[in-house]
Amino acid sequence: SQQGEEDPQALSIQEGENATMNCSYKTSINNLQWYRQNSGRGLVHLILIRSNEREKHSGRLRVTLDTSKKSSSLLITASRAADTASYFCATDKLSFGAGTTVTVRA
Amino acid sequence: DTAVSQTPKYLVTQMGNDKSIKCEQNLGHDTMYWYKQDSKKFLKIMFSYNNKELIINETVPNRFSPKSPDKAHLNLHINSLELGDSAVYFCASSYRQGEAFFGQGTRLTVV
Repeated sequence: SQQGEEDPQALSIQEGENATMNCSYKTSINNLQWYRQNSGRGLVHLILIRSNEREKHSGRLRVTLDTSKKSSSLLITASRAADTASYFCATDKLSFGAGTTVTVRA
Repeated sequence: DTAVSQTPKYLVTQMGNDKSIKCEQNLGHDTMYWYKQDSKKFLKIMFSYNNKELIINETVPNRFSPKSPDKAHLNLHINSLELGDSAVYFCASSYRQGEAFFGQGTRLTVV
């Protein structure tokens, strides 16, 4: 399956803390993407990392990719209440999993 | 202008009915998708069309039939609706396998 599977299922942190979530997949990929979903809304693209890249940054987001372990991580630094959302990863076929639900407490 | 729009936003219908959800994208993308998101937030890909041709057809009951009249549209028709079909359905589009843009979702409730 080319589906991405996120871990943990849920994460609760204090505002200002960092949040880290992981994604594992089973087949070889060309790229991996991370998306955010606010409650009741469609997914919004955050970042795409290609298979030949190991790390990528976008604002407070840092994504790593380890193709040997078939895994990726998303780090959100200095979290804010507005970061409360579900985060999904997806591989080439844009097949998703259940996401990680992040709650940032004020 | 909304990039990916799907209608209706809410749909309440009785078991056994047939219904359609429409999706249109104005981004010039060549690939469109339908997803089903259940109450546990699992986002399951149902279909993917590239240039009007079906490229992904996951294990979905054949009561679900996608129709792509052109590259900008991918509609989802559902026959003989069942209670278990209640979910939020999302349409999305992308250029090849790049960044995907999602519609706002259609919340289908079967009673």
